[in-house]
Amino acid sequence: EAEVAQSPRYKITEKSQAVAFWCDPISGHATLYWYRQILGQGPELLVQFQDESVVDDSQLPKDRFSAERLKGVDSTLKIQPAELGDSAMYLCASSLGGFKSDGYTFGSGTRLTVV
Amino acid sequence: GENVEQHPSTLSVQEGDSAVIKCTYSDSASNYFPWYKQELGKRPQLIIDIRSNVGEKKDQRIAVTLNKTAKHFSLHITETQPEDSAVYFCAASISNQAGTALIFGKGTTLSVSS
Repeated sequence: EAEVAQSPRYKITEKSQAVAFWCDPISGHATLYWYRQILGQGPELLVQFQDESVVDDSQLPKDRFSAERLKGVDSTLKIQPAELGDSAMYLCASSLGGFKSDGYTFGSGTRLTVV
Repeated sequence: GENVEQHPSTLSVQEGDSAVIKCTYSDSASNYFPWYKQELGKRPQLIIDIRSNVGEKKDQRIAVTLNKTAKHFSLHITETQPEDSAVYFCAASISNQAGTALIFGKGTTLSVSS
């Protein structure tokens, strides 16, 4: 079964440092999503890509977060500087895209702890 | 924008009992409603979904019902087993220029005791 790859699996960083997460979607999936899941809550959409273009980043804290998908395949989410409140699971998901998409597949996530 | 409310936040049942989790959504344009199961430390996994042109869908012990008029949908698990213990999330689709995205509820922690 095809999977969404994410790395690293775990990351501990100090407050004010920069941190980056990587995601490789299922081959052929045009749409890629980054979600943040705070412990005990549901996933919250941060950014959606269609190929290399950002479709929705309305919930992305742009003063410290950035995301890119330069060649329309893999993607990187960056936080600079990290704050204590950024501690969460960062999930990547992908789908074929379009208006008839089914539920998408999540990666295993990156658990970020900011100390 | 879309808002998804999920209840209850925790649910404890005895093995063999049924469990029901309910969600409401606000955007009448939403047309796709998946349910995800997330075990501790693992990724959310799709367990069942329903589209707005269908009122009910069943897959073995799990079923989902949808009431478009009332804008609510529910997950039903029958004959619960200890391995059903997990956090369950409902979601509703929103449409944008590139297709769809999912907005999630806050989750229900289901505990099945033997």
